Amino acid sequence: EAGVAQSPRYKIIEKRQSVAFWCNPISGHATLYWYQQILGQGPKLLIQFQNNGVVDDSQLPKDRFSAERLKGVDSTLKIQPAKLEDSAVYLCASSLDAGSGETQYFGPGTRLLVL
Amino acid sequence: EDQVTQSPEALRLQEGESSSLNCSYTVSGLRGLFWYRQDPGKGPEFLFTLYSAGEEKEKERLKATLTKKESFLHITAPKPEDSATYLCAVNNAGNMLTFGGGTRLMVKP
Repeated sequence: EAGVAQSPRYKIIEKRQSVAFWCNPISGHATLYWYQQILGQGPKLLIQFQNNGVVDDSQLPKDRFSAERLKGVDSTLKIQPAKLEDSAVYLCASSLDAGSGETQYFGPGTRLLVL
Repeated sequence: EDQVTQSPEALRLQEGESSSLNCSYTVSGLRGLFWYRQDPGKGPEFLFTLYSAGEEKEKERLKATLTKKESFLHITAPKPEDSATYLCAVNNAGNMLTFGGGTRLMVKP
C-alpha cells in the first residue's frame, strides 16, 4: 500500500516570497492533517480536513497560511508571504476517518528554509 | 489545554543496555496515546496506540505501557538501529494529536 506522498521534499526561499506544498494521502483516507515541526520539537497541528471540509484550523496563522483540499483527496498548503520563523518541516498525515483514536500516518515532510 | 512532556530529552545507551522513556500527559478525555519513531529527515512512523490504563503493547525490543498520567516506552537490549527520536502524542475527542518534544535516543555499538 502506498504511503502519504509529499512534494517538494526541500524548498529554500527568501522572506516575503510565496511557497506551496502538496500532499496526496493514503488511498481511501478521508481525513488529512497538516503539521508544522520546528527543529528539535514535536509536530504541531495546523489544520485538519474531513473529506474536503475543514474540521479544525484554530492553530493556522490565517494572515499568511492557507490550505485547501479540493475534491477531498489531494491537499495544498500555501504560505504567503513567508517569514524567517516559518523555517520548519511541514508534515502531511492521513487517517481513515476523524474518529477518536484513529491512527494517523505521516508523509516524509517538506523541509522549508526561509532566508 | 492538552499537554505532553517527554523525558529525558536525549538518551545515550550502549548496545544491550535496557532503559525506559517517559511520556507524561494531561488531556481532557484521552481517546488514545500514540508512540511514533522518527528517523532524521523522515516523517514519524507509527509504533503503538494505547487506549486505557493498564494496557501494554510489544513490538520486537519495544514495549509500551500506559497509566492514567503517563506512558513508558521500554527498550530491551537495544541495537544501534534503534537510534531515533521517539515521539509521544495524545488524542482527544476531535482526533487531534498533541505531541511531546520527543526523546532522542542514541545506541552505541
